[in-house]
Formats: sequence, C-alpha cells, structure tokens
Amino acid sequence: EAQVTQNPRYLITVTGKKLTVTCSQNMNHEYMSWYRQDPGLGLRQIYYSMNVEVTDKGDVPEGYKVSRKEKRNFPLILESPSPNQTSLYFCASSRDLYTGELFFGEGSRLTVL
Amino acid sequence: AQSVTQLDSHVSVSEGTPVLLRCNYSSSYSPSLFWYVQHPNKGLQLLLKYTSAATLVKGINGFEAEFKKSETSFHLTKPSAHMSDAAEYFCVVKDTNAGKSTFGDGTTLTVKP
Repeated sequence: EAQVTQNPRYLITVTGKKLTVTCSQNMNHEYMSWYRQDPGLGLRQIYYSMNVEVTDKGDVPEGYKVSRKEKRNFPLILESPSPNQTSLYFCASSRDLYTGELFFGEGSRLTVL
Repeated sequence: AQSVTQLDSHVSVSEGTPVLLRCNYSSSYSPSLFWYVQHPNKGLQLLLKYTSAATLVKGINGFEAEFKKSETSFHLTKPSAHMSDAAEYFCVVKDTNAGKSTFGDGTTLTVKP
C-alpha cells in the first residue's frame, strides 16, 4: 500500500531535549516536505526536499533541521525544542517538484513542556 | 508571491443540502489549485486538482470545483451533503515552476442531521 509513515504519532517532551520525527515514503517520490499545523493558521511549510541531498527552507524553518540521505526518508530534527514548537506536524511527498499532488502522513502531535 | 484566502472559517449545512466552500487565490504565475480534506486525527487527502485543463474539475465523493480566472476563485461545491463530509477543507495554490505550496487557513464543515 502506498503510504507516508511518520513516527512518533504522539510525543511529549521537555524544553531543550533533542528529538527526531521520522518520515518514510514507499512511492519512490522525489519531493518531500514538512509542515506544521496550528489552529487558524492552516499548514505552514518548514522545509522541503526536491531530491536526495537537496533541501531548502520553507516559510517557518527556524528551530528545525532536516536531512535527505536516502530517497525514502526525510527526518525532521528539533535540536533544542521550545514550547512554541508545540504543534501538529505533517510529512508529505510528491512524485516530483511539478506534479503538485501531495501525499500526507497521518501527523505527529508534539508537545514541548 | 502567491496567497490563498478561504472566505469562511466555518460552514454549517444540513444533510442533503448543497455545500459551498469558497476560495480566492493570488498568484504571479499560472497556478495549480487543489482542495484537500482532513478528517479528525487524519492526514490530508486530495479531493481534486486544477492544472490548466478543464475549468470545471470533478473530484472524489461527489465534490467539484470551478476555476474562474477572472474572479481568481476556486470554490468547492457538492450538490448534497452527507454526514461523512464533516471535516476540515483546505484550498491550496501551487506555483507550477517551484516547490512551494501555499495553504489556506482551512474551512471546517459541519453537517447537521
């Protein structure tokens, strides 16, 4: 089954404790992206990747890092989480940069105390 | 620059009555436009997309949208609402030459019995 898998789905952590949210897709998609969803703000793009070893900042990259060492994986790293990073995070993938249609994971709800 | 405005944050309809969710967009390029649906505790799922072919686009579950360039609108409609349509809906504009998708703030659709 074609899917985007995120882990963990739920996480409560404390300020400053590094964490990684993993994202994996099994559709051989070139394009992958991370979003955060906050009430009333829709989805805002954090980082995206057009292919292996190619990443770029989205609208709200501060406090986040990403890497794309393999085509299928695109982890989101919070080196020193802060309470304002409490949010619902979505990973998405697309066949390529131009196709447009995004396939989403089920989301990771992160709480930073 | 591109932007999306969903004109209603909440829409409430009775089961069996028509649905109209309004979306206006702004784009410097020839955009691709999408509607996604998000059910509670789920990721986003594509409903339909416009990519410069027919201006009336049919999607899944009986939804359709009409691209009106003169009005810069891409409203989502359905002739008869079903209880299972209750969800949050996002209008998205994408510059076909770049990796950025811009999401509207979302419209929550409530369907009353």
